[in-house]
Amino acid sequence: EIVLTQSPGTLSLSPGERATLSCRASQSVSRTYLAWYQQKPGQAPRLLIYDVSRRATGIPDRFSGSGSGTDFTLTISRLEPEDFAVYYCQQYGSSLSITFGQGTRLEIK
Amino acid sequence: EVQLVQSGAEVKKPGESLKLSCRVSGYSFTSYWIGWVRQMPGKGLEWMGIIYPGDSDTRYSPSFQGQVTISADKSISTAYLQWSSPKASDTAVYYCARLGASGSSLDYWGQGTLVTVSS
Repeated sequence: EIVLTQSPGTLSLSPGERATLSCRASQSVSRTYLAWYQQKPGQAPRLLIYDVSRRATGIPDRFSGSGSGTDFTLTISRLEPEDFAVYYCQQYGSSLSITFGQGTRLEIK
Repeated sequence: EVQLVQSGAEVKKPGESLKLSCRVSGYSFTSYWIGWVRQMPGKGLEWMGIIYPGDSDTRYSPSFQGQVTISADKSISTAYLQWSSPKASDTAVYYCARLGASGSSLDYWGQGTLVTVSS
């Protein structure tokens, strides 16, 4: 099973700043099967990015994903107040196995 | 509009059977996999398993194999997650989610069901 490790655990930034969140896999991720989700308190997760770099429907273009192999990044170009939340990466492997990273909390500085 | 609507909060005693539901609308229920995700209090997301309602093909995470049962009823476009004998450690929020057209990510989610198991 592929293990995903996200860093940092907590990221403290101010609105308007750029956020860079990392997700590292214990082995190479199949094809481009890496996604990112945002979760706010009391809400279900929301898909932001799929297939490493494709934005889901309705996601603003300040969100972007990149990476390959074992190292992936979610970048938020200019933080808006509504972007402060927890972010999870997720990979999809063979036999429909799915794993999530442990999450990065993005908090207001 | 795609919607996944989950059943309401549950409070159970250890050992009392439990079955959660996830009713979908806005798309063909039998054409997409539906998965279940656990989130324990204050913790991250854990993958439990997935079902293809078209033929009931079901896969479980090794961590949940034998602990829960995932099923689906095509006639009412509803997926289920059940326990025969829940434990206090099953206290969590449970989400259902659709595996999207990309085949690799969960594009629509239910609102979550809070399960509390306590004596």
